[in-house]
Amino acid sequence: AQSVSQHNHHVILSEAASLELGCNYSYGGTVNLFWYVQYPGQHLQLLLKYFSGDPLVKGIKGFEAEFIKSKFSFNLRKPSVQWSDTAEYFCAVSGGYGNKLVFGAGTILRVKS
Amino acid sequence: GAGVSQSPSNKVTEKGKDVELRCDPISGHTALYWYRQSLGQGLEFLIYFQGNSAPDKSGLPSDRFSAERTGGSVSTLTIQRTQQEDSAVYLCASSQDGYNSPLHFGNGTRLTVT
Repeated sequence: AQSVSQHNHHVILSEAASLELGCNYSYGGTVNLFWYVQYPGQHLQLLLKYFSGDPLVKGIKGFEAEFIKSKFSFNLRKPSVQWSDTAEYFCAVSGGYGNKLVFGAGTILRVKS
Repeated sequence: GAGVSQSPSNKVTEKGKDVELRCDPISGHTALYWYRQSLGQGLEFLIYFQGNSAPDKSGLPSDRFSAERTGGSVSTLTIQRTQQEDSAVYLCASSQDGYNSPLHFGNGTRLTVT
């Protein structure tokens, strides 16, 4: 069965600090990997996704994530966070067509201005 | 364009009552998902529809939970004999093909069982 583990439940950073949110998954086959974000008072939206090809994927708002197959990881990064990045971030994995999308428990990021 | 619409947005019910939650997906989206979001628990998968059929019902917590989708569009999640532990935000999402396309989420239904 698929599972997703996010290492930190709460992260607090100052503006301009660098961000890395950890995500590890458990699944034996080919995977599709996603990061979703939920800003305060808003619904979940897609930040970035990886299906194949270049393991370093770039998403919206300066976010990027790197797929490391040997480590079963898909960590999210941003070189310099802004106050507006305050949100909850969810890593998710799917085994492909007909497979459910499984989410991690989420990481709440608070950026201090 | 119109996004995923869920109703009601809030529902307070007494323990033991039945509730129905509705989801209107984006027109043309073949895949529809139900998730439950509880504080500190992330998003718990409940059920996934491809068209009208449900290839994966593995996440439904008990036989008190059921869901259907008619006409490849609207879906209803029904919880019978609600319990206090059913209190959560129930999220619906749809995607174009259930494979490569991203999920579009609704705003959820906040269910409170008293």
